[in-house]
Amino acid sequence: DAGVIQSPRHEVTEMGQEVTLRCKPISGHNSLFWYRQTMMRGLELLIYFNNNVPIDDSGMPEDRFSAKMPNASFSTLKIQPSEPRDSAVYFCASSLQGAKNIQYFGAGTRLSVL
Amino acid sequence: GENVEQHPSTLSVQEGDSAVIKCTYSDSASNYFPWYKQELGKRPQLIIDIRSNVGEKKDQRIAVTLNKTAKHFSLHITETQPEDSAVYFCAATVNTGNQFYFGTGTSLTVIP
Repeated sequence: DAGVIQSPRHEVTEMGQEVTLRCKPISGHNSLFWYRQTMMRGLELLIYFNNNVPIDDSGMPEDRFSAKMPNASFSTLKIQPSEPRDSAVYFCASSLQGAKNIQYFGAGTRLSVL
Repeated sequence: GENVEQHPSTLSVQEGDSAVIKCTYSDSASNYFPWYKQELGKRPQLIIDIRSNVGEKKDQRIAVTLNKTAKHFSLHITETQPEDSAVYFCAATVNTGNQFYFGTGTSLTVIP
């Protein structure tokens, strides 16, 4: 298995632009998590899905952030409009709920908003 | 919800010495405690985990201990090597709940 796949690996955009981050979880996993990592705030959980259904989005910072999981093999995190303070590394992770519960992380997307 | 605190935030040790990182949790229902290692510019990766029915677990130079009564767990790295330098995160979760509650991380530097 290729593991959790995220794209793009790096994204540089200008303030006000829309940004879409993509994630493909490990095949067979039924839980998916979006995290944001910064030096100041560490690793923050933004939202997670079980069986494609959003369970907890209390970590989503503002209405500018939205996430979808249209099927078991794909999820997106969208920021519209983007702001410089959104600059961070965004990780996606997946796990198999009810099993050993290990979360496997993707390589992350480094977002820079200028 | 669960609150996980992690100490210290930074730790420097001489190569060959031991390193200990401590975490506390608040929810007595938490029963699974993973530890992740994140090297610079890389993704967090699981290095060891422990369940609440076990007090200690070892894997070569790494060990984790759990005190359910006191609600704290610790990561022990013996005979540290430069490649152990990384940020380490502890986490706690309830199996059925699925969400991990991460600590704030410990930046470990092993000085050659």
